[in-house]
Amino acid sequence: QKEVEQNSGPLSVPEGAIASLNCTYSDRGSQSFFWYRQYSGKSPELIMSIYSNGDKEDGRFTAQLNKASQYVSLLIRDSQPSDSATYLCAVNRSGYSTLTFGKGTMLLVSP
Amino acid sequence: GAGVSQTPSNKVTEKGKYVELRCDPISGHTALYWYRQSLGQGPEFLIYFQGTGAADDSGLPNDRFFAVRPEGSVSTLKIQRTERGDSAVYLCASETSSGGNEQFFGPGTRLTVL
Repeated sequence: QKEVEQNSGPLSVPEGAIASLNCTYSDRGSQSFFWYRQYSGKSPELIMSIYSNGDKEDGRFTAQLNKASQYVSLLIRDSQPSDSATYLCAVNRSGYSTLTFGKGTMLLVSP
Repeated sequence: GAGVSQTPSNKVTEKGKYVELRCDPISGHTALYWYRQSLGQGPEFLIYFQGTGAADDSGLPNDRFFAVRPEGSVSTLKIQRTERGDSAVYLCASETSSGGNEQFFGPGTRLTVL
């Protein structure tokens, strides 16, 4: 089992829709969870961090964490074509300072 | 304020050559990380510095790879006897000392080994 798993996509949604991106992780003791956005040819950009169970909202973005199910998700409301990018899920495993990344999910928002 | 900077942005070298990649973290960030990203993959950890010392170098693939951070700020990743398989984007990230483990990435160095 891979440590951090994401569906590679692409996930295609129309402009204005809600995009839902999912991530599962294997280390039950993981403490910190992050979503990065990566445009083609660019480096990852941190967009959300979440540390406790439940939802965390920031503008059009909502991160959801369920530690019992080892599942973290990112919702993007009112998706825009400029949201088209690869979204990387990253996990800070227990006892480590480094981040373990999934392969990323490509999101395509069509006008 | 200024973000993480990396130089060069692109590096093309021949197999067997030596290369150095530089990272200048966000001012005041004590933790610095090097990752490597291949096409279609997420970043993979190489080495982590807390201050001047390497706190975790378990991600370095072999002894051709080495990194230093002599004054606790700028770091240099050094690759000896480069191989074609070393071709990737090398990313540097720094982390705020206030906790939370939020890491901010530089623009990366694209290394191509011919």
